[in-house]
Amino acid sequence: DAGITQSPRHKVTETGTPVTLRCHQTENHRYMYWYRQDPGHGLRLIHYSYGVKDTDKGEVSDGYSVSRSKTEDFLLTLESATSSQTSVYFCAIRVGLETYNEQFFGPGTRLTVL
Amino acid sequence: AQKITQTQPGMFVQEKEAVTLDCTYDTSDQSYGLFWYKQPSSGEMIFLIYQGSYDEQNATEGRYSLNFQKARKSANLVISASQLGDSAMYFCAMRGLYNFNKFYFGSGTKLNVKP
Repeated sequence: DAGITQSPRHKVTETGTPVTLRCHQTENHRYMYWYRQDPGHGLRLIHYSYGVKDTDKGEVSDGYSVSRSKTEDFLLTLESATSSQTSVYFCAIRVGLETYNEQFFGPGTRLTVL
Repeated sequence: AQKITQTQPGMFVQEKEAVTLDCTYDTSDQSYGLFWYKQPSSGEMIFLIYQGSYDEQNATEGRYSLNFQKARKSANLVISASQLGDSAMYFCAMRGLYNFNKFYFGSGTKLNVKP
């Protein structure tokens, strides 16, 4: 258990509404990540953070923004949710800076956009 | 560009038998790491095993081993003595040494262990 929580765990929303997902960690790790998981695609990186206020885009960043004002929290925002953003969202942290350091994942948030 | 390919969407194996899950990759990096994760029906992602591109020996972790063939760019996961609890989705992933924030996943293989 790497001390990662995600909230909410489940959310149903309507097209066009803003949505914010929260990832919280308790161990002050520098690197945090947001992924989405869709059938047939595995996990794809949306955005990541390498420190407070330091973020960068992943491979599927369109329609998403992130913020990290504190080490422990990494927020993912859908400014105007679309049905194509229905997915399971995973937050992850990286423990250590070596190539072999795996990522530890949060429990996931299931988002449905109607 | 990095790419991970898992060509087996689903597999069945008899309990107590061994099973191999295939993973091939494509990368221009000289140094990289390969990972396998398990995702049971409950949804969490569980790290299983790691192989570095310069590791001369295949990685092993308990009943899991990684059959690494660098020239073929393959990193197959071998599960020995399958158990019912091994039924899950399995994902192969890769990360480059110099682009270590970019983790690339395959599409996964769903393994069903039959009693």
